[in-house]
Amino acid sequence: KQEVTQIPAALSVPEGENLVLNCSFTDSAIYNLQWFRQDPGKGLTSLLLIQSSQREQTSGRLNASLDKSSGRSTLYIAASQPGDSATYLCAAHYGGSQGNLIFGKGTKLSVKP
Amino acid sequence: GAGVSQSPRYKVAKRGQDVALRCDPISGHVSLFWYQQALGQGPEFLTYFQNEAQLDKSGLPSDRFFAERPEGSVSTLKIQRTQQEDSAVYLCASSLFSPYNEQFFGPGTRLTVL
Repeated sequence: KQEVTQIPAALSVPEGENLVLNCSFTDSAIYNLQWFRQDPGKGLTSLLLIQSSQREQTSGRLNASLDKSSGRSTLYIAASQPGDSATYLCAAHYGGSQGNLIFGKGTKLSVKP
Repeated sequence: GAGVSQSPRYKVAKRGQDVALRCDPISGHVSLFWYQQALGQGPEFLTYFQNEAQLDKSGLPSDRFFAERPEGSVSTLKIQRTQQEDSAVYLCASSLFSPYNEQFFGPGTRLTVL
């Protein structure tokens, strides 16, 4: 069964700290992986999409990496700000007939001023 | 350009009522998805359309759930005879062509069944 796991479930850091969020997936035959943020009561905002042929993607203070062989992806947030507080979800895309994303349960990040 | 929109944003239904949830994808997006998100969980796949064709409905939890996209743009998710376990946020997403393109999500509809 294809599963995506995110640890920890919650993380609290002081403002300005660099941090890493972890995502692991059970099936290495991944097509791509997408990171999202979700604010309370809101939908999902796409942050980064990494294709299986890529090792990392960057957008501003965010950097996502992908290691298919170990079944892991990380989202690195530099110089965290209170506005980064949200739940971060990773989701895996597998090929074949499946078009849907398989999501982890998310990591709830709190950045304290 | 407008993103994915969903209506209503909130819906309260009495157990046994039928509900209809609407999704307007980004204009020109071919692929459309419905997901269900329970409190504290990640979204779970319900069904997928490519244009008007429903290519995968393996995630629909029961035959009370029905989705359509008759003209290949707007989609409706219908739940018949709602049950308390149907209470969740229903998210719609669209992608430009392939389902493996980046998916963009709407704000969701929060359904509460009393």
